[in-house]
Amino acid sequence: DAGVIQSPRHEVTEMGQEVTLRCKPISGHNSLFWYRQTMMRGLELLIYFNNNVPIDDSGMPEDRFSAKMPNASFSTLKIQPSEPRDSAVYFCASSLSAQNTEAFFGQGTRLTVV
Amino acid sequence: GENVEQHPSTLSVQEGDSAVIKCTYSDSASNYFPWYKQELGKGPQLIIDIRSNVGEKKDQRIAVTLNKTAKHFSLHITETQPEDSAVYFCAASIPPAGTALIFGKGTTLSVSS
Repeated sequence: DAGVIQSPRHEVTEMGQEVTLRCKPISGHNSLFWYRQTMMRGLELLIYFNNNVPIDDSGMPEDRFSAKMPNASFSTLKIQPSEPRDSAVYFCASSLSAQNTEAFFGQGTRLTVV
Repeated sequence: GENVEQHPSTLSVQEGDSAVIKCTYSDSASNYFPWYKQELGKGPQLIIDIRSNVGEKKDQRIAVTLNKTAKHFSLHITETQPEDSAVYFCAASIPPAGTALIFGKGTTLSVSS
């Protein structure tokens, strides 16, 4: 398996534009997580899904952020409108189940909002 | 909610020395404690994990200990090598889900030869 695949690897956008980050989890994994990494706040959990259903989105910073998982092999994280403070590395991770199993991380998407 | 504190933030050792990183957590219901290694430009990668029913786990040069009473856990790396240089993160599960994680702020380990 190729692991968790994220696209794009890098994204530069202007403030106010919509940004969509994409993730393909490992085949057969039932849980998917979106994290954000910044120097100031470290790695923060934004939202996670079990069997394509959002379970906890309390980490989503604002209504500008939304995430979907239309099927078991694809998820998106959307920011609309984007702001400079959204600049960060966004990671997607997947695990076999939600119970104490290893979470595999993708390579991340580095987002820069200018 | 769960909170994880990690110390030190930076650690420099000579090749062959041991390195110890310590973490504390706040929610006694947390039951899964993984450690991740992150190299520059890459995503975090699991190096070892421990569950709440175990006090210690070892995998070659890496060991993790867990003290549930005190709510702290530690990573021990023996015989460090330059390729161990990276950022290390501890994490604790967010109850009730076992794999959603709260991360510590990370420790930058530098191993000089």
